[in-house]
Amino acid sequence: NAGVTQTPKFQVLKTGQSMTLQCAQDMNHNSMYWYRQDPGMGLRLIYYSASEGTTDKGEVPNGYNVSRLNKREFSLRLESAAPSQTSVYFCASTLGGVFDEQYFGPGTRLTVT
Amino acid sequence: LAKTTQPISMDSYEGQEVNITCSHNNIATNDYITWYQQFPSQGPRFIIQGYKTKVTNEVASLFIPADRKSSTLSLPRVSLSDTAVYYCLVGDTFTNAGKSTFGDGTTLTVKP
Repeated sequence: NAGVTQTPKFQVLKTGQSMTLQCAQDMNHNSMYWYRQDPGMGLRLIYYSASEGTTDKGEVPNGYNVSRLNKREFSLRLESAAPSQTSVYFCASTLGGVFDEQYFGPGTRLTVT
Repeated sequence: LAKTTQPISMDSYEGQEVNITCSHNNIATNDYITWYQQFPSQGPRFIIQGYKTKVTNEVASLFIPADRKSSTLSLPRVSLSDTAVYYCLVGDTFTNAGKSTFGDGTTLTVKP
């Protein structure tokens, strides 16, 4: 039982490049989330998926797109990376809603130069 | 969604009890209070959740007064490994779907 896994662990992009961050959970959870955490700050919600086939914006969605590929997988795409998107990205999942116990992945450290 | 306020930082010494308070004046009737712990370079980890009075597990206790406008996370006999950032979240899992905010948390530093 791996919990929540994220790939890649580290990534360096040049401004304007695109990439997709992958997240998968093996706990049969219904809801999945993408957060970003800038240095010294708390987590901010980018997008979430309350159930398979649905996605919705969180607090800071601009510059990102998401896909809930199936119940297990939730990907985050940066179409044209900007230095302001340099951050650590965390994926999380819950059995029910966001105030259920959230299980987090190990994070992806992204640097955009 | 209830706004929460926590101290930015706290210091303690090994073996002491640490109490971290979170204010949430506009908590709604259906809201629960949840605390997370985050170590550097890791995702947050669930510690404890409660609705009212007192909840205790093997890691911590959560005290919630009758008016529920604040809550206190209590860590008994802390060790150096308890140095982390602690976040308080308040919300209702059914009506606030997705609208969580972790704020900036409280950075606890435990000294030898």
